[in-house]
Amino acid sequence: DGGITQSPKYLFRKEGQNVTLSCEQNLNHDAMYWYRQDPGQGLRLIYYSQIVNDFQKGDIAEGYSVSREKKESFPLTVTSAQKNPTAFYLCASSPGTENSPLHFGNGTRLTVT
Amino acid sequence: AQKVTQAQTEISVVEKEDVTLDCVYETRDTTYYLFWYKQPPSGELVFLIRRNSFDEQNEISGRYSWNFQKSTSSFNFTITASQVVDSAVYFCALTAPEFAGSARQLTFGSGTQLTVLP
Repeated sequence: DGGITQSPKYLFRKEGQNVTLSCEQNLNHDAMYWYRQDPGQGLRLIYYSQIVNDFQKGDIAEGYSVSREKKESFPLTVTSAQKNPTAFYLCASSPGTENSPLHFGNGTRLTVT
Repeated sequence: AQKVTQAQTEISVVEKEDVTLDCVYETRDTTYYLFWYKQPPSGELVFLIRRNSFDEQNEISGRYSWNFQKSTSSFNFTITASQVVDSAVYFCALTAPEFAGSARQLTFGSGTQLTVLP
């Protein structure tokens, strides 16, 4: 079955450490996205990529970095510069056509202490 | 600027009751799309419906129905005869095609936690 795989489901890190969240899709979608979800705040866009080797900042990109070396993969690195990294992170993809619905992964819950 | 307001943070109903989730949006664009997504406890968001601004017909899909009213900038979602499996967080979202193919204009509401009690 086609879908989006995020791993791991739960991640714990010490403050000051960088951590990379994995996102893989086998839907042959061109566009991929990273969202952050905090209680009561909905989803906020961190980064998105519409094509391999290209990506753009979303609304809350500070303290995060991404790469898009393959169509299937869009890993997100949460750096030590992110002031409040504890959150639920969701990866999504879409065919890239105008206003096509997003397909989401199961998310990674990151806890930084 | 775009904005989506879901004023109901949490709703609890007893199984078989009907429930309506409210969504009010703001946009200066005349062409836009509205979405509803469901987020069950497993975490992933599941797409439910997309509606463009030129189609004001209400839509029904099984126990789900959507009422789109441009006059009040609302896109409300009703679940008829609710079931325990409907318990989830529901998000309303808005996008305008100013940036074609771009996710930058996809704005989510803060979500409504629906709990259906047996």
